[in-house]
Amino acid sequence: DVKVTQSSRYLVKRTGEKVFLECVQDMDHENMFWYRQDPGLGLRLIYFSYDVKMKEKGDIPEGYSVSREKKERFSLILESASTNQTSMYLCASSLGLAGSYEQYFGPGTRLTVT
Amino acid sequence: GENVEQHPSTLSVQEGDSAVIKCTYSDSASNYFPWYKQELGKRPQLIIDIRSNVGEKKDQRIAVTLNKTAKHFSLHITETQPEDSAVYFCAAIGPRGYNKLIFGAGTRLAVHP
Repeated sequence: DVKVTQSSRYLVKRTGEKVFLECVQDMDHENMFWYRQDPGLGLRLIYFSYDVKMKEKGDIPEGYSVSREKKERFSLILESASTNQTSMYLCASSLGLAGSYEQYFGPGTRLTVT
Repeated sequence: GENVEQHPSTLSVQEGDSAVIKCTYSDSASNYFPWYKQELGKRPQLIIDIRSNVGEKKDQRIAVTLNKTAKHFSLHITETQPEDSAVYFCAAIGPRGYNKLIFGAGTRLAVHP
């Protein structure tokens, strides 16, 4: 059973703070993803990683960076949090083999920036 | 790039009725179309998917149809039950592989007893 965990369910930060969101998967998946979920906008891809130390920008990377030093861990970093980054953040992973596309999601982190 | 549009944004049905959610995609090279269900306060989970070499797929009360020519696919739920109430997301595999999915904006389905 695939398990994807995120470091916090709820987080409150102040404008300008550096914020780290951590995601860990335990199924040796190659691919990992960070999304933000906002009402009416669905799941928008921020960054994804297809291998250790490899990353690619998604659709809304501005204001975010990522780190993948180990295969099982993918971190999302908000360099200087702003109020428009208040959102639900979802991490996901997938196997990475050709034709194996199912993504397994973490429980989400609801971030509030005040 | 790939774009996925989903309609309607909200859907309200009576228990026992059918529900249909429709999505269109832009990239004719897309070959994988999953549907995810997200119950309130929970994570999205895959409920059914279809690949481009198949026109229809069923799993008990849910089915997905794909029209590659028109570039649209639909989720059909029959005999709806209150536990079907959730947000449903369609998606299509994005360009350049990497297993990147492009999601629709979601449909909030409410099934009333």
